[in-house]
Amino acid sequence: DQQVKQNSPSLSVQEGRISILNCDYTNSMFDYFLWYKKYPAEGPTFLISISSIKDKNEDGRFTVFLNKSAKHLSLHIVPSQPGDSAVYFCAASASNTGNQFYFGTGTSLTVIP
Amino acid sequence: ETGVTQTPRHLVMGMTNKKSLKCEQHLGHNAMYWYKQSAKKPLELMFVYNFKEQTENNSVPSRFSPECPNSSHLFLHLHTLQPEDSALYLCASSPELAGGPTKETQYFGPGTRLLVL
Repeated sequence: DQQVKQNSPSLSVQEGRISILNCDYTNSMFDYFLWYKKYPAEGPTFLISISSIKDKNEDGRFTVFLNKSAKHLSLHIVPSQPGDSAVYFCAASASNTGNQFYFGTGTSLTVIP
Repeated sequence: ETGVTQTPRHLVMGMTNKKSLKCEQHLGHNAMYWYKQSAKKPLELMFVYNFKEQTENNSVPSRFSPECPNSSHLFLHLHTLQPEDSALYLCASSPELAGGPTKETQYFGPGTRLLVL
């Protein structure tokens, strides 16, 4: 059973607008979350993270929001740029599982110029 | 070369073949990982090595055999695979394993696309 879910396989957004990618998890023990970005023919690259002691973390155009009660996190990209077109994976981990991360299936974002 | 490299990038093999995937990291990290990504499925952790010692084996069939001769190199030896083993195999590394709320970011290689006929 998948512990991390990204229910939207794809998303299209106009350049300059906000992109919102969503991720839900089922394990209440998860306390650290990351977003990775993947271009075709490349491995995933780390984008931004958040620990459960926070509900928001911002890095430039990228902001991750965490709603622990809803077991939901989201990645906001604003303004969206064509170079942001990629597959975005969220991942979650619990303190007692060492460095084991559970990944979602990814959301393919297309930013239309 | 920098980062995490994987060879070959593409591999086609028959069910009776033996082949090996290679991963090399140039980041001075001590932990290395093998992941499998099948179509429309999430990345699945297969093996974890920390300071050359295997710390995780996520119930992976014995037809997959990892080897970590040093902290910079990781191999995945393949033999008598099945068509359902066709997938993207990703290698990753991190400075070391970490517990608690602060995790070490993993750096991924580009992957090996494996097709088993």
